Amino acid sequence: NAGVTQTPKFQVLKTGQSMTLQCAQDMNHEYMSWYRQDPGMGLRLIHYSVGAGITDQGEVPNGYNVSRSTTEDFPLRLLSAAPSQTSVYFCASSSLRFGGYSYEQYFGPGTRLTVT
Amino acid sequence: SQKIEQNSEALNIQEGKTATLTCNYTNYSPAYLQWYRQDPGRGPVFLLLIRENEKEKRKERLKVTFDTTLKQSLFHITASQPADSATYLCALSDSSYKLIFGSGTRLLVRP
Repeated sequence: NAGVTQTPKFQVLKTGQSMTLQCAQDMNHEYMSWYRQDPGMGLRLIHYSVGAGITDQGEVPNGYNVSRSTTEDFPLRLLSAAPSQTSVYFCASSSLRFGGYSYEQYFGPGTRLTVT
Repeated sequence: SQKIEQNSEALNIQEGKTATLTCNYTNYSPAYLQWYRQDPGRGPVFLLLIRENEKEKRKERLKVTFDTTLKQSLFHITASQPADSATYLCALSDSSYKLIFGSGTRLLVRP
């Protein structure tokens, strides 16, 4: 049971390049989400999904796309990287209990992205 | 707008003492409040969850209180140890499926 895995661990991009951050979980969790973490800003929600084929925007969705074709995978796409997207990105997953609230999150190890 | 506030200044305490961290929120009606621990270079790890109709929750040396009237949660670590040194994050969830985090408070426990 690997939990939540993220690849790559580190990435350097030039402004304007695109890339996909990968996230996978093997716990059969319905809920998956992406956060970015910047110094002094805490974790900010980018996008989330409550199941395959269902995604929605979080607090800071601009410049990012997501899709959820399977329960296990939730990739995050940067369409045209900008220096403001330099950050540490965390993927998380959880089960959805009765009432649909997102419960305790299992986080991946993070991807450190630098955009020059 | 919704806001979650945690003390940005580090909390520095002596080993064996009780650490108390605060989480305040505004313009929010959370159904659940959660606390996480984050070590440098790692993802957050879940510690405790408390529901809006619960006043207090305990797990080993950890205790969380939740006051929806004051819009505040307190997180206590009793008999603190240097290994408890980390950043502690609170997070709120409502019926929108979104889980929103505070910016965290760093705890330093001196031996």
